[in-house]
Amino acid sequence: AQTIHQWPVAEIKAVGSPLSLGCTIKGKSSPNLYWYWQATGGTLQQLFYSITVGQVESVVQLNLSASRPKDDQFILSTEKLLLSHSGFYLCAWRRDWGGREQYFGPGTRLTVL
Amino acid sequence: GDKVKQSPSALSLQEGTNSALRCNFSIAATTVQWFLQNPRGSLINLFYLVPGTKENGRLKSAFDSKESYSTLHIRDAQLEDSGTYFCAALNVGDNSKLIWGLGTSLVVNP
Repeated sequence: AQTIHQWPVAEIKAVGSPLSLGCTIKGKSSPNLYWYWQATGGTLQQLFYSITVGQVESVVQLNLSASRPKDDQFILSTEKLLLSHSGFYLCAWRRDWGGREQYFGPGTRLTVL
Repeated sequence: GDKVKQSPSALSLQEGTNSALRCNFSIAATTVQWFLQNPRGSLINLFYLVPGTKENGRLKSAFDSKESYSTLHIRDAQLEDSGTYFCAALNVGDNSKLIWGLGTSLVVNP
């Protein structure tokens, strides 16, 4: 069975500090991977997606960047956090062929002060 | 929210009653997913639909691509059904990005 982990569970960071959020999927090779952001009380907004190692497509950047250093790992980062980065970050995966159903990780709650 | 319109935006139900949520699409949706986001924030997959109908316990969902809508029916609502329900669709020609509705906030009261 596939499992998806996100780390950390929650972060409180200062404006201007760096950030790195991680996502790992186990039990599935070559998945499509996605990063989403959700403001409190809002809907989900797709930020990035990746179909293979080393390749990332930006949908909405929000002064963030993403990388896929390994087949099972997706990283979201920035060198300088803004207040507007606060929210809930979700990682998702999908098979690279066949059905298009997306499955989500547990999320990371980020508070920028 | 313009391309995928969810209704109602909020709903309060008594335990044991039935209700229906709806998504209308102004895109050529090819597949639809329904999710429940619980109070902790976890997104639970409820249904993945190509045009047609699926049922799972007290939940039933339908997707009509020609009429551009999808519904989620909840029968005999329970307290644990509370949360925010989202629908999301893939647009024809672009399966890299789900288009999301703004959600329906459901509270089930005892």
